[in-house]
Amino acid sequence: EAQVTQNPRYLITVTGKKLTVTCSQNMNHEYMSWYRQDPGLGLRQIYYSMNVEVTDKGDVPEGYKVSRKEKRNFPLILESPSPNQTSLYFCASSFDRGYGYTFGSGTRLTVV
Amino acid sequence: EDQVTQSPEALRLQEGESSSLNCSYTVSGLRGLFWYRQDPGKGPEFLFTLYSAGEEKEKERLKATLTKKESFLHITAPKPEDSATYLCAVRPQYNTDKLIFGTGTRLQVFP
Repeated sequence: EAQVTQNPRYLITVTGKKLTVTCSQNMNHEYMSWYRQDPGLGLRQIYYSMNVEVTDKGDVPEGYKVSRKEKRNFPLILESPSPNQTSLYFCASSFDRGYGYTFGSGTRLTVV
Repeated sequence: EDQVTQSPEALRLQEGESSSLNCSYTVSGLRGLFWYRQDPGKGPEFLFTLYSAGEEKEKERLKATLTKKESFLHITAPKPEDSATYLCAVRPQYNTDKLIFGTGTRLQVFP
């Protein structure tokens, strides 16, 4: 089944403790992206990647890092999480930027 | 400033009662308008892409249309399983890596 898999689905952590949210797609898509979704603000792009080793900032990149060492994987790294990063996070992939995204099921992160 | 506004925020319909959802946008040049459906606890699911004014796309009970300033998602004779949040997003011409989302319309269809 074609899908984008994120892990974990739920995560509660403490301020300052580094964490990684994994994302993997099995569709051989070139384009991958991370979004956060907050009530009243909609989906906002954090980072995106056009191909292996090619990444760029989205609208809200502060406090986040990404890497794209393999085509299928695009992990999101929070080096020192803070409470304002409490949110619902989605990874998405696409054959090309002009096509619709396939989204993962989301990771609900709470930073206390 | 680029902006995507969806209305209404919430919509309650009786099963079979047709209606439309609106997505108005302000962006410097449009390279695509996307509609997604999002069920509670799940990621958005892609529905349609529209590229130019006058274009229409259909899928089952849904029909999306596009003008120069807005898009409509028409729902004909909805069923309870159409209940979801519908999201609109635009891709601006000046940065085709960017996708600007609206905050969505939450649709509830009652039997």
